[in-house]
Amino acid sequence: QSALTQPASVSGSPGQSITISCTGTSSDVGAYDYVSWYQQHPGKAPKLMISEVSNRPSGVSTRFSGSKSGNTASLTISGLQAEDEADYFCNSFTSTYTYVFGTGTKVTVL
Amino acid sequence: QLVESGGGLVQPGGSLRLSCRASGFTFTSYWMTWVRQAPGKGLEWVASIKQDGSERDYVDSVKGRFTISRDNARNSLYLQMNSLRAEDTALYYCARDQWRTGDFDSWGQGTLVSVSS
Repeated sequence: QSALTQPASVSGSPGQSITISCTGTSSDVGAYDYVSWYQQHPGKAPKLMISEVSNRPSGVSTRFSGSKSGNTASLTISGLQAEDEADYFCNSFTSTYTYVFGTGTKVTVL
Repeated sequence: QLVESGGGLVQPGGSLRLSCRASGFTFTSYWMTWVRQAPGKGLEWVASIKQDGSERDYVDSVKGRFTISRDNARNSLYLQMNSLRAEDTALYYCARDQWRTGDFDSWGQGTLVSVSS
């Protein structure tokens, strides 16, 4: 199972919006609406930011939103803030009842 | 809360058993999962186990070498790792997921496994 493809890095200025893509196949991202997104700050455990493509868990800022089209899912961060600087990973359930994470994207706030 | 333990330094070909102690929630309501992260690398799903232990899934690279198990009476998750390789070196996290959707909404702090001679 190959990792889902994410851009290595994305950057933006405070207040701007950025979008991170997550490209898989018809056997994972395209097969189910079970795509989640995680934020990881250095030395910390991952934190669930988006579940099932577009649901925001309680306590997660409304600045974070998710979507999916075909085999590609996306995470958008609006009103970028310094605290958003972190690594972001997507994850998808697959047709073989396993999970696959994305390659990860480093978000830099300029 | 999830608290992992059992990591350490082991030689190639050796074995190690990781544990994850759960508290503060109904352990038997959740699928449980191990996810690992090699130093400076991304996340990799390793294995998951159903609430009653009746279903277990593994990433291909650990099949036949790793075994995931749970003891619901002790609110504990385990990962028995045999025939360890250098590429198994990573921080191993346990995480919970109620509906087998990959929504890992709670993670431990991780336990470090280093495989080296």
